Amino acid sequence: GENVEQHPSTLSVQEGDSAVIKCTYSDSASNYFPWYKQELGKGPQLIIDIRSNVGEKKDQRIAVTLNKTAKHFSLHITETQPEDSAVYFCAASRLAGTASKLTFGTGTRLQVTL
Amino acid sequence: NAGVTQTPKFQVLKTGQSMTLQCAQDMNHNSMYWYRQDPGMGLRLIYYSASEGTTDKGEVPNGYNVSRLNKREFSLRLESAAPSQTSVYFCASSELMGIGETQYFGPGTRLLVL
Repeated sequence: GENVEQHPSTLSVQEGDSAVIKCTYSDSASNYFPWYKQELGKGPQLIIDIRSNVGEKKDQRIAVTLNKTAKHFSLHITETQPEDSAVYFCAASRLAGTASKLTFGTGTRLQVTL
Repeated sequence: NAGVTQTPKFQVLKTGQSMTLQCAQDMNHNSMYWYRQDPGMGLRLIYYSASEGTTDKGEVPNGYNVSRLNKREFSLRLESAAPSQTSVYFCASSELMGIGETQYFGPGTRLLVL
């Protein structure tokens, strides 16, 4: 099955700096890669996603890049703010029959310091 | 519109006791999921229900059973709790299980098995 590795496990940046979180996946057939943000005491929430036919996608201060050849994808957050502090999870999925299941990475705890 | 709700929020069990975690969604979604979240291991799929009337095993189903009571509700049962089942449990739902479907998560149930 799919295996998703995520690095780093913790990341501390100063407010205004950029943060980058990287993930690799093992199944070359995976073609959908979402990123979820989990705030303290809450469930994960989708913040951005990318499909395998696209190399980069941007939404305001967040962007995701995908390298299919190397089987890795990254989340970039620019101009970080204290409210970006959370745990971020990457995930990968492919369609198997009629169902698509997400395989999650192990998470990155991002702390934005003032 | 409450989204995905879970009860209880927190539960302490003794080894061997049983309990049912409840989940309900009000978004008229067809697909529902149960995950467990453990430190350093991300989110792992326990069981899922692609549509009302169907359930299937995920990555870590041992020790659990599920019931898709109706389109809104999907419960997770621990018949004989073990300390290894100490975890945070998340229920999620999506409109379908196709590729690219956003999963919406509940706030989680924190379970401690002594």
